[in-house]
Amino acid sequence: EAGVTQFPSHSVIEKGQTVTLRCDPISGHDNLYWYRRVMGKEIKFLLHFVKESKQDESGMPNNRFLAERTGGTYSTLKVQPAELEDSGVYFCASSQGDYNEQFFGPGTRLTVL
Amino acid sequence: QKEVEQDPGPLSVPEGAIVSLNCTYSNSAFQYFMWYRQYSRKGPELLMYTYSSGNKEDGRFTAQVDKSSKYISLFIRDSQPSDSATYLCAMRSHGGATNKLIFGTGTLLAVQP
Repeated sequence: EAGVTQFPSHSVIEKGQTVTLRCDPISGHDNLYWYRRVMGKEIKFLLHFVKESKQDESGMPNNRFLAERTGGTYSTLKVQPAELEDSGVYFCASSQGDYNEQFFGPGTRLTVL
Repeated sequence: QKEVEQDPGPLSVPEGAIVSLNCTYSNSAFQYFMWYRQYSRKGPELLMYTYSSGNKEDGRFTAQVDKSSKYISLFIRDSQPSDSATYLCAMRSHGGATNKLIFGTGTLLAVQP
């Protein structure tokens, strides 16, 4: 069974540009989460989807970040316009039920210059 | 003050040593306690999962939770070079609208052959 996949693995963009990250959860997992790790800090929650609905987006830093999960399958996280402080590793995780184990993807390393 | 505190290390031990990793937390609502292992350039992988207080053992790994002290530990017996990784503690509360994980910063462990 394929795990959580994320694309791209690494993205380097300039300040002010737009970047879109993609996450494909494990097949059949209704719950999808985005987390972010900024260098030197802990992994922090961004938001949680249940199917296509946003269950909790309390961790989204500001309105430059837009997450979608159309059709309840894969999800995208768009950053527009990107700022220097957006650099970090963005992880996606999925789980079958609300309180089941969260399986993490390998992350997308975003560098904003 | 962070909700979860974890010594970032790095921690270097010889092969065969017993390793003790710890986290403290401030939120008494946390009921679920997890240890994740993260190899370089990979996503976190669930290692141990404990509900409420007590001990849990799985092979060479033992997780302990002391809710009265708000303190959790992971012990690794007979450590191996393949155990070299970053170990992250994570926690969440029970119930509520989301099951977002709150992470510690992670402890980098190196087991020297």
